[in-house]
Amino acid sequence: AQKITQTQPGMFVQEKEAVTLDCTYDTSDPSYGLFWYKQPSSGEMIFLIYQGSYDQQNATEGRYSLNFQKARKSANLVISASQLGDSAMYFCAMREGLPGNTPLVFGKGTRLSVIA
Amino acid sequence: GAVVSQHPSRVICKSGTSVKIECRSLDFQATTMFWYRQFPKQSLMLMATSNEGSKATYEQGVEKDKFLINHASLTLSTLTVTSAHPEDSSFYICSARSGTGASGNTIYFGEGSWLTVV
Repeated sequence: AQKITQTQPGMFVQEKEAVTLDCTYDTSDPSYGLFWYKQPSSGEMIFLIYQGSYDQQNATEGRYSLNFQKARKSANLVISASQLGDSAMYFCAMREGLPGNTPLVFGKGTRLSVIA
Repeated sequence: GAVVSQHPSRVICKSGTSVKIECRSLDFQATTMFWYRQFPKQSLMLMATSNEGSKATYEQGVEKDKFLINHASLTLSTLTVTSAHPEDSSFYICSARSGTGASGNTIYFGEGSWLTVV
């Protein structure tokens, strides 16, 4: 079974509108962390936002917010007021267990295209 | 903030030669670094976990003799693709975790290295 599932291969959004990128995860570990990264065409991985499994509130970072629904095992990324520069691949990732030397497992990604 | 630097960003090599990619943590010590490979339009796949002062841990299906990993210091890990073949052409990217405990949630990535084997 996939650990991270991103069901939207591609998404389009009008500039200045909000968009939600879906992510569901699968783990039996009570401690885990969820990450979202942005990957532009240059290839670099840009960290956007983090949500810990024990965090009571949804994480927010500027225009990015994470809609964390623990019971549903979902961690959707919401980008508000989309900008042309937001066009990129977006990856949801998970770290299982406590912060330590464990790698991230990535979903297949969603390509977001912002339209003027 | 913490930065991970990767070099070279792009490299073209002839089939049969070896290529070394460096991953450096610039302002923090990383006892563990991770190496990923990403084929076009695909996700990042973990290749190996690089441990300072000990042998790397390879994921299933990754040839350790082909992808040599050396973590010689707390700020440097290298990936050497030996006897490269065209099918090794890919985007290779490293990552490292900064800090421990709750502050260790930030995982930084290098800029990545595009390898083309001709």
